[in-house]
Amino acid sequence: EAEVAQSPRYKITEKSQAVAFWCDPISGHATLYWYRQILGQGPELLVQFQDESVVDDSQLPKDRFSAERLKGVDSTLKIQPAELGDSAMYLCASSFWREGRGTGELFFGEGSRLTVL
Amino acid sequence: LAKTTQPISMDSYEGQEVNITCSHNNIATNDYITWYQQFPSQGPRFIIQGYKTKVTNEVASLFIPADRKSSTLSLPRVSLSDTAVYYCLVPFGGYNKLIFGAGTRLAVHP
Repeated sequence: EAEVAQSPRYKITEKSQAVAFWCDPISGHATLYWYRQILGQGPELLVQFQDESVVDDSQLPKDRFSAERLKGVDSTLKIQPAELGDSAMYLCASSFWREGRGTGELFFGEGSRLTVL
Repeated sequence: LAKTTQPISMDSYEGQEVNITCSHNNIATNDYITWYQQFPSQGPRFIIQGYKTKVTNEVASLFIPADRKSSTLSLPRVSLSDTAVYYCLVPFGGYNKLIFGAGTRLAVHP
C-alpha cells in the first residue's frame, strides 16, 4: 500500500539552529499539506500546496518558516531559526483531490517529531 | 477556525457501542464529512466519509440527517484498542482546506 514518507522521524536541535523536514507524498496526489501538532492539541494547518503552488499559508510563521514543493512532488519544510515553542510533531499529508474531482481523503505520514533545546 | 464542534472527551466500556456527534452548521452543499482517528505519536488515519444518510464500512458507521448540519460516528462494540482521538472534518473554503479542531478523546475501559 502506498504511503506518505517523511524524514527525519526524530530531530533534536538547539535553539537558533536551522532544521528541515522532507515529505514524499503518494504518487499522483496533487494536494500536499503540512500540519504542526503540539502535544494534546489537534493538528494545525501550516501550509497547503496544489501541485507546486501554495494555496494556503495563512498560519505559517513566515519570519522563520518556509516551505516549497518545486516540482509538485516532494516537499520541504524549513525552520530557521528554531525556537523552543517549535517543539512539536510535524505531519505531512497528501490527497488525490483536485477541483471537481475526488472526495479529499487525507493520507498522513508518520510525522517528524522536533525537540528544540 | 474549526468549522466543526464535537465533545472534548467520552468514556465507554469494552463491548459497548459508542456514538460521537459532530456539529457542522455551515456545511456547504457539495462538502463531504470525514472522520479521522489518531493514536499517540501517529498521524491521523481516515475512518469513514459520507455525504448524506448513512455510510457503513468494516469499522464504523456514519449517520447524516437530511439537513446535514450534524453527523454521528458510530463505533460498534468498542475494544481497548479504540482508545484514541477522533476528529470530524469538513472542507473550509476552497482547495479542500481541512482544519482540525481539538477532536474527541475516547477512552475505552475494561
